[in-house]
Amino acid sequence: GAVVSQHPSRVICKSGTSVKIECRSLDFQATTMFWYRQFPKQSLMLMATSNEGSKATYEQGVEKDKFLINHASLTLSTLTVTSAHPEDSSFYICSARERQGNYGYTFGSGTRLTVV
Amino acid sequence: DQQVKQNSPSLSVQEGRISILNCDYTNSMFDYFLWYKKYPAEGPTFLISISSIKDKNEDGRFTVFLNKSAKHLSLHIVPSQPGDSAVYFCAASAMYSGGGADGLTFGKGTHLIIQP
Repeated sequence: GAVVSQHPSRVICKSGTSVKIECRSLDFQATTMFWYRQFPKQSLMLMATSNEGSKATYEQGVEKDKFLINHASLTLSTLTVTSAHPEDSSFYICSARERQGNYGYTFGSGTRLTVV
Repeated sequence: DQQVKQNSPSLSVQEGRISILNCDYTNSMFDYFLWYKKYPAEGPTFLISISSIKDKNEDGRFTVFLNKSAKHLSLHIVPSQPGDSAVYFCAASAMYSGGGADGLTFGKGTHLIIQP
């Protein structure tokens, strides 16, 4: 079945630095990728939707200058958390969908970001 | 305002019995619903889905029921097995009616505990 690889699984960074998270579809071409964030004991919150080759669409309340999303190819999307602060510490998960009309959303295994 | 609600944070069921997880939604634009199983520090794993043109979808031990008029869906697991113990998320999307805005909206999850 469809596999999405997310890397790294855990990262610790200092305040003020930037962190990049990669999401790759291994055996299919992902025309659309989604980025979610999960706070402790909360649901996954959609942050942004990206289509290959175009700018990401951010959900209300998500700072696009802070959470940079690049979907440069059909198999790779990246989320860069810029100038990270401790409140950015969270669990970030990506999801990929093969094509419009394909109803399968395949999730990566997530990235635990801790900003110290 | 939470558009997808799972009002039971946890549910304990005896092995072999039926597990029923409930989910309510408020957005009438939602037309595609999914259930995911999630272990700590991992991405969600897809279980079963249903589109709004159906009221029931079955896959092995898992059955999802949709009551559009009540804006309610439920996941039935029968018989319940110890390996079913996990957090279950209900998710919804405006797949057809959202004009392309089809990221998933998740409930907060229900922690299912299967007791031997």
